[in-house]
Amino acid sequence: EADIYQTPRYLVIGTGKKITLECSQTMGHDKMYWYQQDPGMELHLIHYSYGVNSTEKGDLSSESTVSRIRTEHFPLTLESARPSHTSQYLCASSAGDRTEAFFGQGTRLTVV
Amino acid sequence: GQNIDQPTEMTATEGAIVQINCTYQTSGFNGLFWYQQHAGEAPTFLSYNVLDGLEEKGRFSSFLSRSKGYSYLLLKELQMKDSASYLCAVTDSNYQLIWGAGTKLIIKP
Repeated sequence: EADIYQTPRYLVIGTGKKITLECSQTMGHDKMYWYQQDPGMELHLIHYSYGVNSTEKGDLSSESTVSRIRTEHFPLTLESARPSHTSQYLCASSAGDRTEAFFGQGTRLTVV
Repeated sequence: GQNIDQPTEMTATEGAIVQINCTYQTSGFNGLFWYQQHAGEAPTFLSYNVLDGLEEKGRFSSFLSRSKGYSYLLLKELQMKDSASYLCAVTDSNYQLIWGAGTKLIIKP
């Protein structure tokens, strides 16, 4: 069983609101990732981290930010939500570059 | 640019065998992953190939040819619960994961 958790599972929020999506893992993994995925579409990497105090932007342009103050915690913040942010957000972690990634259950975000 | 190609959708019959192909063009290669993703759920790991050849794991097998930039996932004795999307992902020279769009597999009775 993968020990990676995301909250909330579902969120409906108004345009312009600030939101933080939580992601925590108890496996001690250094690498963590945030992906965005629309239904039936591919995963797009929006942020990743190699460890504490390390954060990088992925290949999808995003108005979000992340932080990695503790190994187990990798929250994603949207300063001002817009309808175009409506999507599923998946958090993942891995022990290294040649090992599999474990995914959280995702947060399905709807911005109205 | 970096590119991974998979068929968009495939249909197979319960109890049969299906092969899902993946071709890739990436800047370097450090391994290829296959994941299964049921509708509305998160991807789960199926297999990892870094050397040429076949890796067998129960009903699922994965094959890699690095010289051809090609992999396939073979599913035997198909069950209805195998209806899902199958994602191919390659780790490039910078150890970044490049994802394919996935193949939606539909199993019919």
